[in-house]
Amino acid sequence: DGGITQSPKYLFRKEGQNVTLSCEQNLNHDAMYWYRQDPGQGLRLIYYSQIVNDFQKGDIAEGYSVSREKKESFPLTVTSAQKNPTAFYLCASGRLDGYTFGSGTRLTVV
Amino acid sequence: GENVEQHPSTLSVQEGDSAVIKCTYSDSASNYFPWYKQELGKGPQLIIDIRSNVGEKKDQRIAVTLNKTAKHFSLHITETQPEDSAVYFCAASNSRGLTGGGNKLTFGTGTQLKVEL
Repeated sequence: DGGITQSPKYLFRKEGQNVTLSCEQNLNHDAMYWYRQDPGQGLRLIYYSQIVNDFQKGDIAEGYSVSREKKESFPLTVTSAQKNPTAFYLCASGRLDGYTFGSGTRLTVV
Repeated sequence: GENVEQHPSTLSVQEGDSAVIKCTYSDSASNYFPWYKQELGKGPQLIIDIRSNVGEKKDQRIAVTLNKTAKHFSLHITETQPEDSAVYFCAASNSRGLTGGGNKLTFGTGTQLKVEL
């Protein structure tokens, strides 16, 4: 089955640590996206990539970094510079007809 | 950039009743308007979408209407069932035939729909 896989489902981070969230897709989509979801704030775009080896900042990129070395993979690193990283993170891929989302990673700072 | 507003933030209906969720957008160049349903702990799923060359689209109990002049679009769910309970998001984008690049969607803030027995 084609789809988009995020891992891990739950992630705990200590203060000052960097963590990397995985996102893999086998839908042959060129474009991939990372969104952050907080209660009552909908989905906010962190980074997106329209093609391999290229990516653009979204609306809330500060404290995050990404890479796009392969078409199938778009990992997100939450750095220690992100002051409030506790959130639900969603990865998506898509063409012109909308996105396919992964099942999300819930990150908690402990 | 695009700004999408969504109302109401919460909506309770009795099973069998209809539910309507409304969104407005700011960028007159936006031409693609999808709706997503998100169940608890899961990623959003596309349930219906509409393009700016169409005024209405229907899929069984779900319909979407678009008013380009007023820059608003709505989701209509008829004969609601308990399994319709979820968070619904509207979104908008300007997809000018980007080659392989897809859309950069701007989302509304979501509507928590509760269908009561």
